[in-house]
Amino acid sequence: DVKVTQSSRYLVKRTGEKVFLECVQDMDHENMFWYRQDPGLGLRLIYFSYDVKMKEKGDIPEGYSVSREKKERFSLILESASTNQTSMYLCASSFQARGGTGANVLTFGAGSRLTVL
Amino acid sequence: GNSVTQMEGPVTLSEEAFLTINCTYTATGYPSLFWYVQYPGEGLQLLLKATKADDKGSNKGFEATYRKETTSFHLEKGSVQVSDSAVYFCALRSGGSYIPTFGRGTSLIVHP
Repeated sequence: DVKVTQSSRYLVKRTGEKVFLECVQDMDHENMFWYRQDPGLGLRLIYFSYDVKMKEKGDIPEGYSVSREKKERFSLILESASTNQTSMYLCASSFQARGGTGANVLTFGAGSRLTVL
Repeated sequence: GNSVTQMEGPVTLSEEAFLTINCTYTATGYPSLFWYVQYPGEGLQLLLKATKADDKGSNKGFEATYRKETTSFHLEKGSVQVSDSAVYFCALRSGGSYIPTFGRGTSLIVHP
């Protein structure tokens, strides 16, 4: 069974702190994603990575950065946390669909709920 | 660009009632379509999928049919249970993009 593990389920940080959210997957997936989930707004993509050291900005990258030094690990970094970054953060991974066709199913972690005071 | 529109919730039903959650989409090419479910306190998990027109995805008593003519992928279940209470997300993946497009989610509350 594919597993996506997020290191922290709940975090409380102070404004201005640097925050690291870690995500590890164990099925050799090429793609990894970071989303944030807020009531009424659904899922919003922060960053996407399709290979080691490769990343693409999603819909809301401002205030965030990412790191992918190894295929199985994708980290989300908040350089200086702010109260408007209080949210649920979801990591996901998937295989790349061969030839661009076919279903490409995402497997999600359980989420990390971050509160910034 | 691609988009997914779901009915707004919450949808509130009594146990054993019939469920429909509407989903329509706009996409280039021939997308693959998905329903994901998020139970309280958990991440999303795949519920069912369909990869071409007229395909029916099914799982755990839920069904959805890929309707190209109406660009829809409505989720149905004949008899809901309290344990089906969750948030349901419709999604698509189109063409050469690895990034799926999600709807905003529909909360389902089932009362005993």
